[in-house]
Amino acid sequence: DIQMTQSPSSLSASVGDRITITCRASQGISNFLAWFQQKPGNAPKSLIYAASTFQSGVPPNFSGNGSGTDFTLTISSLQPEDFATYYCQQYHTYPFTFGPGTRVDIK
Amino acid sequence: EVQLVESGGGLVQRGGSLRLSCAASGFSFSSSTMNWVRQAPGKGLVWVSSISGSSTTIHYADSVKGRFTISRDNVKNSLYLQMNSLRDEDTAVYYCARDSSFSFWGQGTLVTVSS
Repeated sequence: DIQMTQSPSSLSASVGDRITITCRASQGISNFLAWFQQKPGNAPKSLIYAASTFQSGVPPNFSGNGSGTDFTLTISSLQPEDFATYYCQQYHTYPFTFGPGTRVDIK
Repeated sequence: EVQLVESGGGLVQRGGSLRLSCAASGFSFSSSTMNWVRQAPGKGLVWVSSISGSSTTIHYADSVKGRFTISRDNVKNSLYLQMNSLRDEDTAVYYCARDSSFSFWGQGTLVTVSS
């Protein structure tokens, strides 16, 4: 199985900060990488697929990058509604696997 | 508007069975791969199963293989997950999600396995 790791596991930041979350796959997955946002008590929401393609309605302060084994999700200017847990996921090879999540909370 | 609405969750005894449903609308269901993902309380997301639009390709996580069966009815625009021989570790919120990139998720249904 392909293992997904994320760093950091959590971070504290302020509104307006720029943050980057890293996701690493244990083997190459080309660009079959998605990012999800989940707020407490809510279902996950898709942000990005194919490593860097936005889902409809995702604000432009989010960006995704990477290919192969190393990927990043960047939020250029944190907004109050961005405080949440973020997961990466590979959908290159079954079984599909998720990273353990990165919790972003308010400093 | 895309909608996915899960139902069928509840409290079930260890070793029991449950059938989850996911009603889809607002997109071409029959041409979409569909997925089940679960999340145990306070834990991360875990992929459970996927089924292609025509039901010809099906995959399961090892943890549920032989106990869970995914299926779909493209006339009723519905996805199903038959869960048998339930274990404590199957306790989770179960989400259905649309297509290979999991572009849209339902609100989830809670399954609690109790002894």
